[in-house]
Amino acid sequence: GAVVSQHPSRVICKSGTSVKIECRSLDFQATTMFWYRQFPKQSLMLMATSNEGSKATYEQGVEKDKFLINHASLTLSTLTVTSAHPEDSSFYICSARGSAQETQYFGPGTRLLVL
Amino acid sequence: GENVEQHPSTLSVQEGDSAVIKCTYSDSASNYFPWYKQELGKRPQLIIDIRSDVGEKKDQRIAVTLNKTAKHFSLHITETQPEDSAVYFCAAVRGGSYIPTFGRGTSLIVHP
Repeated sequence: GAVVSQHPSRVICKSGTSVKIECRSLDFQATTMFWYRQFPKQSLMLMATSNEGSKATYEQGVEKDKFLINHASLTLSTLTVTSAHPEDSSFYICSARGSAQETQYFGPGTRLLVL
Repeated sequence: GENVEQHPSTLSVQEGDSAVIKCTYSDSASNYFPWYKQELGKRPQLIIDIRSDVGEKKDQRIAVTLNKTAKHFSLHITETQPEDSAVYFCAAVRGGSYIPTFGRGTSLIVHP
């Protein structure tokens, strides 16, 4: 149980385009979903937390107009990187937790390369 | 806010040896401490967790200990195998927040 999928696994795009990443909880209802960014050989950096039906809460320094998060249902959250630039290239990972659960389960990640 | 320190950053052991990774936290309200294993290019996977009402938890070759007074917790891996090689992250979660603060990670290398 507790499977989280993420799509796409890799994406290469041109500078200035927008990229949407989907995160789905496959066998449980995700009360909360988290979006992280991870640079090579570094820890997970929390970008934002989203609860179903509510606006996402962004961490300090993360531009909410740049990284649009939608959590429209209990099994789906999306992260849209708008007008992507090379410095946005990174590994983006989502995670999800169910109601009254402390444990987060991670998606497989999306490797974004902006040319 | 919470601050989690993790040591060492790199740990190299021979197959069959034990490995210990230590973390400290600052927020006394943290009450849940998961450990994740991340292989290169893959997702972090929960390997063991402990809650603040327990001092020790064991699952086969993996164990975690927690000292609430000193605010530190440790991961112990016995009889290490090459497939244990990965980056390990500790985390601390404040009660009611569900938001973890991660350590910087430990790269464990197990030499055959």
